[in-house]
Amino acid sequence: AQTVTQSQPEMSVQEAETVTLSCTYDTSENNYYLFWYKQPPSRQMILVIRQEAYKQQNATENRFSVNFQKAAKSFSLKISDSQLGDTAMYFCAFMRSNAGNMLTFGGGTRLMVKP
Amino acid sequence: DAGVIQSPRHEVTEMGQEVTLRCKPISGHNSLFWYRQTMMRGLELLIYFNNNVPIDDSGMPEDRFSAKMPNASFSTLKIQPSEPRDSAVYFCASRRTNEQYFGPGTRLTVT
Repeated sequence: AQTVTQSQPEMSVQEAETVTLSCTYDTSENNYYLFWYKQPPSRQMILVIRQEAYKQQNATENRFSVNFQKAAKSFSLKISDSQLGDTAMYFCAFMRSNAGNMLTFGGGTRLMVKP
Repeated sequence: DAGVIQSPRHEVTEMGQEVTLRCKPISGHNSLFWYRQTMMRGLELLIYFNNNVPIDDSGMPEDRFSAKMPNASFSTLKIQPSEPRDSAVYFCASRRTNEQYFGPGTRLTVT
């Protein structure tokens, strides 16, 4: 079974600064996908970024980028130029590539962006 | 694109009553997932469907929970009878390729 661990229950960052959220996972699979989801107070789950395990290049979406270390089974999210609207819960998620696309979520990190 | 639609957004009911949650997936998506989110257990997958067929319901807590997908554009999650420990936010998500898109969730409170 896969497990996803987010070791930082809460974090804060000043507006315009950069913050990195940590995620580690455990799997014996070689082919899989990793995701970061954002859940603002509205509780809507929003897909932020996706990484395919077979790709060495780290994914980037505007101010959001990941540091994917496959050997270390680490998948951190970097948010640059933090904005007040980035305040939310952030969930790391794992998905095997051939098992019905079920997501396994970490426990989440609550990020507060301070003005 | 309207996104995944869930109804109702909020539901308050008394213990023992039947509750039905509804979901309309994104058009063209062939997989549908039901999740439950609580403070204690986080996000849990309850059941998922591929092409309207239930594939894995191992996450369904007990027989009081049932889910159906009669067609590609509609699914229900039913709890009968409901109990206070069922209080949670229930999410529906749909998928076409390798990304799941979530609905806004239904906040269920059972008193």
